[in-house]
Amino acid sequence: NAGVTQTPKFQVLKTGQSMTLQCAQDMNHEYMSWYRQDPGMGLRLIHYSVGAGITDQGEVPNGYNVSRSTTEDFPLRLLSAAPSQTSVYFCASSYGGRSYNEQFFGPGTRLTVL
Amino acid sequence: GNSVTQMEGPVTLSEEAFLTINCTYTATGYPSLFWYVQYPGEGLQLLLKATKADDKGSNKGFEATYRKETTSFHLEKGSVQVSDSAVYFCALSDQQQPSNTGKLIFGQGTTLQVKP
Repeated sequence: NAGVTQTPKFQVLKTGQSMTLQCAQDMNHEYMSWYRQDPGMGLRLIHYSVGAGITDQGEVPNGYNVSRSTTEDFPLRLLSAAPSQTSVYFCASSYGGRSYNEQFFGPGTRLTVL
Repeated sequence: GNSVTQMEGPVTLSEEAFLTINCTYTATGYPSLFWYVQYPGEGLQLLLKATKADDKGSNKGFEATYRKETTSFHLEKGSVQVSDSAVYFCALSDQQQPSNTGKLIFGQGTTLQVKP
């Protein structure tokens, strides 16, 4: 199993550009989520999905869109990048999304918005 | 709302020293508690967890006990190694939402540096 994969690993954007961060998992997990990691703030939840066709907002959803057309994939879209979106982005997945289930994280995407 | 507070870092220790990283939480209901570790350049991985009061999670020599009376989940290790150098995150599951969401709320992370 590859686990959770993310592409790209690094990305530099200019303000106003759009892009999609890719996330895929091969563990047949129902639950997937996107977090951003900023210095001194831990990880904050952006969006999450409890299954194909179902998504919901997390703590910091503004400026980001998601969709979940398959169990495996959960892309994160930035429609108009802003410097405040400079961060490290992690995708995670877990089986069933129960409160005690381990979440598996991808290696992250480091995004810089100029 | 629910929240997690960790001790400020960085924490710098010599090899074989005793480690404690404090974590306290605020939550309604009975959350599950976790410690995740992030090694340099990698994603987070689960270190240990506890799902009810007085449970002790343990892994790789690390331990943490779910203390409901003090709302704490402190991470300890008796003898750290250079390879333990990493960022450690305390987290809780968000029990305010329906049980099938499994959302995590993280502390700010504590950087541990172990010197030979």
